[in-house]
Amino acid sequence: KNEVEQSPQNLTAQEGEFITINCSYSVGISALHWLQQHPGGGIVSLFMLSSGKKKHGRLIATINIQEKHSSLHITASHPRDSAVYICAAHNTGNQFYFGTGTSLTVIP
Amino acid sequence: KAGVTQTPRYLIKTRGQQVTLSCSPISGHRSVSWYQQTPGQGLQFLFEYFSETQRNKGNFPGRFSGRQFSNSRSEMNVSTLELGDSALYLCASTNPGQGEGYGYTFGSGTRLTVV
Repeated sequence: KNEVEQSPQNLTAQEGEFITINCSYSVGISALHWLQQHPGGGIVSLFMLSSGKKKHGRLIATINIQEKHSSLHITASHPRDSAVYICAAHNTGNQFYFGTGTSLTVIP
Repeated sequence: KAGVTQTPRYLIKTRGQQVTLSCSPISGHRSVSWYQQTPGQGLQFLFEYFSETQRNKGNFPGRFSGRQFSNSRSEMNVSTLELGDSALYLCASTNPGQGEGYGYTFGSGTRLTVV
């Protein structure tokens, strides 16, 4: 059983579309992270949140602690957003549990 | 400021050998954590070091070990390499205790191939 489940696994969108990636987790968390990984391997931490909502440019992350669910939204998607997006639960024992990632392709 | 630096970027080793990977955190960051990423298992947490002490460990065999030096640089070692150890090894640094604003900065990783 995976502690963190992401959906969808793969997503193809047209440039300009609004995108949502979902993450459900089963562990108690101190924080929920959204990571972006481009081909080549480098990982960028997009958000770390423990409640509510955060926004950075065209990216928005929300979390519902009661439902143990988080979403990452991308508004006005662009081909440069094409990457793998990974949800990671940072549990109260200070360990990380990772989702399997959502591979996003944005077509011009 | 400089990011998280991992060396080497690529490494090829023979089964049975051992390997040491290095991670230099962002200046001022005292926590370094290590992760293994494979196509089959995805990202998995290896261990975390803070102030030269291992704080947490993931579910990996004892062949995987690490340490952290007084300047916060960290090394991880894998002994008796197996083919299944071929992976991208990532480290990340952070400075806990700064409140919700603290975040993790990842290095570019070391791609290890065991032949």
